[in-house]
Amino acid sequence: AQSVTQLGSHVSVSEGALVLLRCNYSSSVPPYLFWYVQYPNQGLQLLLKYTTGATLVKGINGFEAEFKKSETSFHLTKPSAHMSDAAEYFCAVSGWDDKIIFGKGTRLHILP
Amino acid sequence: EAGVAQSPRYKIIEKRQSVAFWCNPISGHATLYWYQQILGQGPKLLIQFQNNGVVDDSQLPKDRFSAERLKGVDSTLKIQPAKLEDSAVYLCASSLSGREITDTQYFGPGTRLTVL
Repeated sequence: AQSVTQLGSHVSVSEGALVLLRCNYSSSVPPYLFWYVQYPNQGLQLLLKYTTGATLVKGINGFEAEFKKSETSFHLTKPSAHMSDAAEYFCAVSGWDDKIIFGKGTRLHILP
Repeated sequence: EAGVAQSPRYKIIEKRQSVAFWCNPISGHATLYWYQQILGQGPKLLIQFQNNGVVDDSQLPKDRFSAERLKGVDSTLKIQPAKLEDSAVYLCASSLSGREITDTQYFGPGTRLTVL
């Protein structure tokens, strides 16, 4: 079975500062890992995903995430926050059963 | 390319009433998903269709929820009768084949249901 823990339901960063959203996963099999973003009143949009291969994954809008098996982590980062990054971010995991399990989400606030 | 369409966007009903949501996936997408997203939680899969067949409905409360995907295109999710705890956003998503987990799921804007 798979599960996801997102640390911090709310994260605030200043515009231009580093964005770091934390995600730890549990999986009995090699996981597939995802980050989704949800803007107000919109559906989820895939930011990036890790399946196999390179552990540093680059996504849209300047985001990237690194798969660290030893730490069971898949943290999301962006070097410089922009006001338009304000949204809710969901980490998700899947195993061989193809079912995606989502975390509870982290709401990112950008301070001017 | 048109995205996943859902209607209505908002619905308010009283408990014990029935309600239905509609989803039209991206053209050509074989797999369709319905998720329930309760406030403060991540989406939870309710049912997955591959064309017009059900692949997974293990988390669908079948005593009150039903879903169909006639002709393998659009889909309807129904709740009858609704309970207070059904208040949530219902998200529809589709993917090209659904046979590979690496297939990207594309989400609609959701229907926000409030049960009073």
